[in-house]
Amino acid sequence: EAQVTQNPRYLITVTGKKLTVTCSQNMNHEYMSWYRQDPGLGLRQIYYSMNVEVTDKGDVPEGYKVSRKEKRNFPLILESPSPNQTSLYFCASSPRTGALNTEAFFGQGTRLTVV
Amino acid sequence: SQKIEQNSEALNIQEGKTATLTCNYTNYSPAYLQWYRQDPGRGPVFLLLIRENEKEKRKERLKVTFDTTLKQSLFHITASQPADSATYLCALEDYGQNFVFGPGTRLSVLP
Repeated sequence: EAQVTQNPRYLITVTGKKLTVTCSQNMNHEYMSWYRQDPGLGLRQIYYSMNVEVTDKGDVPEGYKVSRKEKRNFPLILESPSPNQTSLYFCASSPRTGALNTEAFFGQGTRLTVV
Repeated sequence: SQKIEQNSEALNIQEGKTATLTCNYTNYSPAYLQWYRQDPGRGPVFLLLIRENEKEKRKERLKVTFDTTLKQSLFHITASQPADSATYLCALEDYGQNFVFGPGTRLSVLP
């Protein structure tokens, strides 16, 4: 089954403790992206990647890191989480860069709470 | 600066009526535009894509129009049902070939 898998689904952590949220897709997609969603603010893009070893900042990259060492995986790293990073996070992938005229597939979301 | 706007944060309509949602954009020249549905706590799900050379696209009770002169897309749900209640997002590609989403409109269909 074609899917984007995020782990964990729920995470409660303490301020300053490094964490990684994993994202994996099984569709051989070139494009992957991370978003956070907060009430009233919609989906805000954190980072995106057009292909392996190619990443770029989105609208709200501060406090986050990503890597794209292989096509299927795009982990989101919070080196020193803070309470303002408490949010619902989504990973997405899409088949093509450039003319991205096909749909994006989203993961099931990761609800992160930083205390 | 580039911007995507959706007509209202929330829209309430009566069951059976047609819901019309608006997506406006500035400083983009998208080759296509997409619409997604998002239920609370879940990831967006793709509904429809319309290309710049298409005026209208239909899928069952859904209809999308795309006016590149007005820089606007309209999304219609005919014969709306309570199960259509969700947040609807428009999305397009920016100049950096990145995927960007509008803020969404939360639709409530009242029985």
